[in-house]
Amino acid sequence: GAVVSQHPSWVICKSGTSVKIECRSLDFQATTMFWYRQFPKQSLMLMATSNEGSKATYEQGVEKDKFLINHASLTLSTLTVTSAHPEDSSFYICSAEPEEDYGYTFGSGTRLTVV
Amino acid sequence: LAKTTQPISMDSYEGQEVNITCSHNNIATNDYITWYQQFPSQGPRFIIQGYKTKVTNEVASLFIPADRKSSTLSLPRVSLSDTAVYYCRAPRGAGSYQLTFGKGTKLSVIP
Repeated sequence: GAVVSQHPSWVICKSGTSVKIECRSLDFQATTMFWYRQFPKQSLMLMATSNEGSKATYEQGVEKDKFLINHASLTLSTLTVTSAHPEDSSFYICSAEPEEDYGYTFGSGTRLTVV
Repeated sequence: LAKTTQPISMDSYEGQEVNITCSHNNIATNDYITWYQQFPSQGPRFIIQGYKTKVTNEVASLFIPADRKSSTLSLPRVSLSDTAVYYCRAPRGAGSYQLTFGKGTKLSVIP
């Protein structure tokens, strides 16, 4: 089946530093990938839509200068949390759809802790 | 905006059938209904998808009435390992492939 690989699975960083999270589609090409954030005991919140070869589309209230998204190839999207602060600590998840109306495949998520 | 409404939580004993209903009053005409399962600290996992009537796979059944304003996920004979949060998907607007998640249903299976 279609697999989306996300790396790292967890990361701890100091306040003020930047962290990069990678999302790869392993056996299919994804012109579009999605990035979510999930706080404890809450639902997933869509942050942005990553488009291969063009700028990402951010949801209302998500700072594009803080959450940099790059989708340079059909199998890789990256999310960089710049100048991270403790309030950015969360579970970040990416997803992609292998085929139209197939159902989305999600990465395993990245637990970010900013100290 | 197709908003979903699900029960916040449900409890069930092992071996019972569990039915979780989701309301999605404004779902677009050509959009599918999809259900996901999520365990703690993991990404959601696709369970089942359908457009109308009934769909069944090896893990669940999905019932969708003719008006498509709701759907019911049916899990036969649940086990402890089915304890998770279950989300139904509500596509945002006609033809949109972007995902919106509701609050989900926390299913707790009791021995």
